Amino acid sequence: DAGITQSPRHKVTETGTPVTLRCHQTENHRYMYWYRQDPGHGLRLIHYSYGVKDTDKGEVSDGYSVSRSKTEDFLLTLESATSSQTSVYFCAISESVGDRDEQFFGPGTRLTVL
Amino acid sequence: EDQVTQSPEALRLQEGESSSLNCSYTVSGLRGLFWYRQDPGKGPEFLFTLYSAGEEKEKERLKATLTKKESFLHITAPKPEDSATYLCAVQVWSNDYKLSFGAGTTVTVRA
Repeated sequence: DAGITQSPRHKVTETGTPVTLRCHQTENHRYMYWYRQDPGHGLRLIHYSYGVKDTDKGEVSDGYSVSRSKTEDFLLTLESATSSQTSVYFCAISESVGDRDEQFFGPGTRLTVL
Repeated sequence: EDQVTQSPEALRLQEGESSSLNCSYTVSGLRGLFWYRQDPGKGPEFLFTLYSAGEEKEKERLKATLTKKESFLHITAPKPEDSATYLCAVQVWSNDYKLSFGAGTTVTVRA
């Protein structure tokens, strides 16, 4: 499982409240990613990080921000949650050896915004 | 824009009935084609990465192949435990290694 944990695993919150999801990895991987998964859309990239304090946007970044103050932790924040952000959120890491790449996912966080 | 299309959306098989899943893609500069298995309520589980046309990889009853336009995941003599959603994703040449996913094929294998 590449040592990836996510917390919380489940969360129910109300519209307009801030929410922070945490991804923790234990193997010093440089690249980390946040995806959301919704029926009919597959997995879509929200934000990613290529090092401490180095982050960039993915295809569905509106309404989300991220931070990475240390290698092992990548935080996803919904500043003011909306019902459209109800989803399952997955964190992933990239493990590259030469020009070969494998990507591993965490167990996910199910977020419900009422 | 990168596009990844998986077909069929759903596949119901009898135990032992071999079949194939398709992943067609349109990208500018494929670096790798990834296959994952996902069980309900869990994160995607990495299966294979394919890098060049003609490459094949196998794992138990699964075999993935790659052409210049599509990839196939062959399931040989499936068992009920092969029931899952299978996802494919493409990675293009860039500095970020990010993936673009298809919507998945849900496979159900009946005993």
